[in-house]
Amino acid sequence: QKEVEQNSGPLSVPEGAIASLNCTYSDRGSQSFFWYRQYSGKSPELIMFIYSNGDKEDGRFTAQLNKASQYVSLLIRDSQPSDSATYLCAVSGTGGFKTIFGAGTRLFVKA
Amino acid sequence: DAGITQSPRYKITETGRQVTLMCHQTWSHSYMFWYRQDLGHGLRLIYYSAAADITDKGEVPDGYVVSRSKTENFPLTLESATRSQTSVYFCASSESKAGVDEQFFGPGTRLTVL
Repeated sequence: QKEVEQNSGPLSVPEGAIASLNCTYSDRGSQSFFWYRQYSGKSPELIMFIYSNGDKEDGRFTAQLNKASQYVSLLIRDSQPSDSATYLCAVSGTGGFKTIFGAGTRLFVKA
Repeated sequence: DAGITQSPRYKITETGRQVTLMCHQTWSHSYMFWYRQDLGHGLRLIYYSAAADITDKGEVPDGYVVSRSKTENFPLTLESATRSQTSVYFCASSESKAGVDEQFFGPGTRLTVL
């Protein structure tokens, strides 16, 4: 059974702080890694993807991938109350289309 | 309207009834997916389709049937609804662009089986 594990949280951080969200996966053949954000009552939307080991930055978001440790993380700098949502880690293998999602981590950013 | 739509948005039904959830996308994406989302389980793949007339099982296919006669439509049928199928159902579509296989999700259907 291929698995993607996330801490369910909730993770609570003050406004302006760095939020760190973590994810581990079991399938060593995984090729593509995604972070989706889901606001309460809404559908998921992609915010970051990463394919190679290392860091990838996009604005306030940084995705980090360590394939040897089978570990993906998302850092949100200067967290804002509008970042309060559930963050879903997703992993797919060769071909990319059959994606396994983690259960998500709920993030609260306190003003 | 462009995008991916689902209908109905809310549905209440009774145990044993057949229910069909509709999904329509206007992008001509090749891939389409059905997920269910339950507390503590995240998104679980029910069925997916790589193209018209090509479908395959996901993680939790039992009790569900899909078809894809046209690229833009991917209906999900619960043949005989059970209480355990109470959930929020998301349809998604995807087309690889420069290696990025982002999935675009519909607004979801909240299904309650009494």
